[in-house]
Amino acid sequence: DGGITQSPKYLFRKEGQNVTLSCEQNLNHDAMYWYRQDPGQGLRLIYYSQIVNDFQKGDIAEGYSVSREKKESFPLTVTSAQKNPTAFYLCASNPGSNYGYTFGSGTRLTVV
Amino acid sequence: AQSVTQLDSQVPVFEEAPVELRCNYSSSVSVYLFWYVQYPNQGLQLLLKYLSGSTLVESINGFEAEFNKSQTSFHLRKPSVHISDTAEYFCAVTVSDSWGKLQFGAGTQVVVTP
Repeated sequence: DGGITQSPKYLFRKEGQNVTLSCEQNLNHDAMYWYRQDPGQGLRLIYYSQIVNDFQKGDIAEGYSVSREKKESFPLTVTSAQKNPTAFYLCASNPGSNYGYTFGSGTRLTVV
Repeated sequence: AQSVTQLDSQVPVFEEAPVELRCNYSSSVSVYLFWYVQYPNQGLQLLLKYLSGSTLVESINGFEAEFNKSQTSFHLRKPSVHISDTAEYFCAVTVSDSWGKLQFGAGTQVVVTP
């Protein structure tokens, strides 16, 4: 079945560490997105990509980095510069501008 | 830029009672509107969407939403809820030429009790 796979489901980060969250899709969608979810704040856009080797900053890109070397993959790195990384991270993809997203099941990141 | 306001952070409701979740948006151009549902520790699932045409849209599990351009609203309703409808619901908006980016509301937690 087509869909988006996020891994790992749970991730623990020590202070000062970089961690990478995986997002893979087999839907043949061009556009991919990363959102951060915090209680009571909805979803906030971190980065998005419309095509391979191109990506754009969203509303809260500071402390995060991404790459898009393949159409299927859009990994997110949470760097040590992100001061409050504990959150639920959601990856999504979109076949076209107005069709809405398909979401992955999320990665819960906790700083220990 | 567009924005979305969900007017209720939490809505308690009894089983088999009706529920309405309110969503208002602001945009200077034509919009496309979505409702998503999220169960605990899961991603979001598309519930229904308005792209064009009939202003009343329905989902397969009994939810419906009506696009009201004059009131800039897209409220979600269900005439009779089940325990399994307990979840968080998000309203979202996008516009043309925005790279498909969705702007989400803060969410409404629906708690259905027997």
